[in-house]
Amino acid sequence: GAGVSQSPSNKVTEKGKDVELRCDPISGHTALYWYRQSLGQGLEFLIYFQGNSAPDKSGLPSDRFSAERTGGSVSTLTIQRTQQEDSAVYLCASSPASGNYGYTFGSGTRLTVV
Amino acid sequence: GQNIDQPTEMTATEGAIVQINCTYQTSGFNGLFWYQQHAGEAPTFLSYNVLDGLEEKGRFSSFLSRSKGYSYLLLKELQMKDSASYLCAVGRDDKIIFGKGTRLHILP
Repeated sequence: GAGVSQSPSNKVTEKGKDVELRCDPISGHTALYWYRQSLGQGLEFLIYFQGNSAPDKSGLPSDRFSAERTGGSVSTLTIQRTQQEDSAVYLCASSPASGNYGYTFGSGTRLTVV
Repeated sequence: GQNIDQPTEMTATEGAIVQINCTYQTSGFNGLFWYQQHAGEAPTFLSYNVLDGLEEKGRFSSFLSRSKGYSYLLLKELQMKDSASYLCAVGRDDKIIFGKGTRLHILP
């Protein structure tokens, strides 16, 4: 696609439920990054993919968080048993290759856990 | 690990000049970025410095001193549309690590 597409744009969920956030990167971009931005905070790195593999998962805050990428394209970030502290904007970015810092960000998914 | 420090908030007047400072400590440094983020929107790229010195791009300039772990973003001829958060970030390994950002308020 022309840009990085994320869905849904907004998600309200009840505490304890699972959620899936989707990111569709720019066509041909092999690197894909997930960040989280809580209110008034900077972007917190979660995980990145090069192709379908995730060389760096160091930012995932707990084992409730997981992500996958299939076909070297779409990625899904899953949060199990959501907690209120998971409320944040989840941003996805893609770049032509890992180590290429030419990120393009999506518009994000605003997650609210009630 | 890494630390990226920048002021939380700044206020400046339309038409004036403002300098936003950033200090960092990191291993595996691969360049210093500045991003602009308007409220409710995704960050957009402003500048990238990998060598020491000043990079000028229109009204915006960015400076880097690697030995001091220091950068600044200079905004000239401020306009109301420059009201936004400015994120200092460091390239490390294969990703970018962001600071918490400086919220810039522009007064008419």
